[in-house]
Amino acid sequence: AQSVTQLGSHVSVSEGALVLLRCNYSSSVPPYLFWYVQYPNQGLQLLLKYTTGATLVKGINGFEAEFKKSETSFHLTKPSAHMSDAAEYFCAVTKDMEYGNKLVFGAGTILRVKS
Amino acid sequence: ETGVTQSPTHLIKTRGQQVTLRCSSQSGHNTVSWYQQALGQGPQFIFQYYREEENGRGNFPPRFSGLQFPNYSSELNVNALELDDSALYLCASSLEDRLNTIYFGEGSWLTVV
Repeated sequence: AQSVTQLGSHVSVSEGALVLLRCNYSSSVPPYLFWYVQYPNQGLQLLLKYTTGATLVKGINGFEAEFKKSETSFHLTKPSAHMSDAAEYFCAVTKDMEYGNKLVFGAGTILRVKS
Repeated sequence: ETGVTQSPTHLIKTRGQQVTLRCSSQSGHNTVSWYQQALGQGPQFIFQYYREEENGRGNFPPRFSGLQFPNYSSELNVNALELDDSALYLCASSLEDRLNTIYFGEGSWLTVV
């Protein structure tokens, strides 16, 4: 069975500082990995995804993530935090793109950005 | 703008009642799934429909059921509501030939009292 672990339910950074949100997954087969962002009282917005190919994936709003198979990780980073980045972030995995919507989500990390 | 519209946005029901939540997807999105997101948790997969047939289900009881229609709309029905059914219900859809691009609606907030 697949699972996702997001280390740290809350992360706080200063504006302009590096953002690092951690995600580790377990999967018996090569996974497809996603990061979503959820702003208060809204649905999920896709930040980036890894399917195949280049392991460093760039997404929207300056975020990127690197797939490291040896570490079973897919950490999300952004060089410089902005106040508008404050939201909840979810890492998700699926192994079966034939039924592509069966995502397994982590519990989420709330990012706070201090001015 | 994801092109996935859900209704209603908020509703309150009494324990034991039934509820129907609706989702409208973009044209051509013939794969739709529903997720339950309880407060403070990540979304949990309920089930998926492809071309109007259920083709995958998560760990949810049969009182959670769904329908998908030819016009790319779908429904989630929950019978015999329980207090623990209070959650945000998210609809997600994708094109058949781009299954790794999944679009989520903004969700329906259900409160069971």
